[in-house]
Amino acid sequence: QKEVEQNSGPLSVPEGAIASLNCTYSDRGSQSFFWYRQYSGKSPELIMSIYSNGDKEDGRFTAQLNKASQYVSLLIRDSQPSDSATYLCAVNFYGNNRLAFGKGNQVVVIP
Amino acid sequence: GAGVSQSPSNKVTEKGKDVELRCDPISGHTALYWYRQSLGQGLEFLIYFQGNSAPDKSGLPSDRFSAERTGGSVSTLTIQRTQQEDSAVYLCASSYPGRDEQYFGPGTRLTVT
Repeated sequence: QKEVEQNSGPLSVPEGAIASLNCTYSDRGSQSFFWYRQYSGKSPELIMSIYSNGDKEDGRFTAQLNKASQYVSLLIRDSQPSDSATYLCAVNFYGNNRLAFGKGNQVVVIP
Repeated sequence: GAGVSQSPSNKVTEKGKDVELRCDPISGHTALYWYRQSLGQGLEFLIYFQGNSAPDKSGLPSDRFSAERTGGSVSTLTIQRTQQEDSAVYLCASSYPGRDEQYFGPGTRLTVT
């Protein structure tokens, strides 16, 4: 069973701080990795994709991928109240035509 | 440009009735996916269409669920003889040829009473 794990509970961060989210996956052959943001009552919105080991930065977001350790993380710098949402980690496992999603991490940014 | 559209946005139906959910992917996107998200559950893959190839139906939970895609564009997900456990948000996504990034529509919230 190919799995994506997001084990952290709700994360509360003060406005302006860095929020750090982690995700592990079970299939070493996985090819592509994504972070989605989902506001309450809304559908997931793609915010980051990463395919190679290392860091990828886009505005205040940085995705980090380590295929040897099978984890992918998301950093949100200068957190804003509008960043309060659930963040979903998604993995395209090798040979599959679909994304496998973690259960998500709720982030609350406190003004 | 226009994103993925889905209709209806909400659907309330009685147990045992059939429902049809519609998805219109982003123009130019050849791959189309259906997922569902139940309260407290993660996103669950249902079915995948790619161009004119046979769909990947491996995620459909029972034979009451079926989907078709006409003309390589619009897709309809049909649930026959709905059950209360079918209550969920049904999400459609599409992706560009050769790309893995999937873009989601707003979803259809199905409530079976």
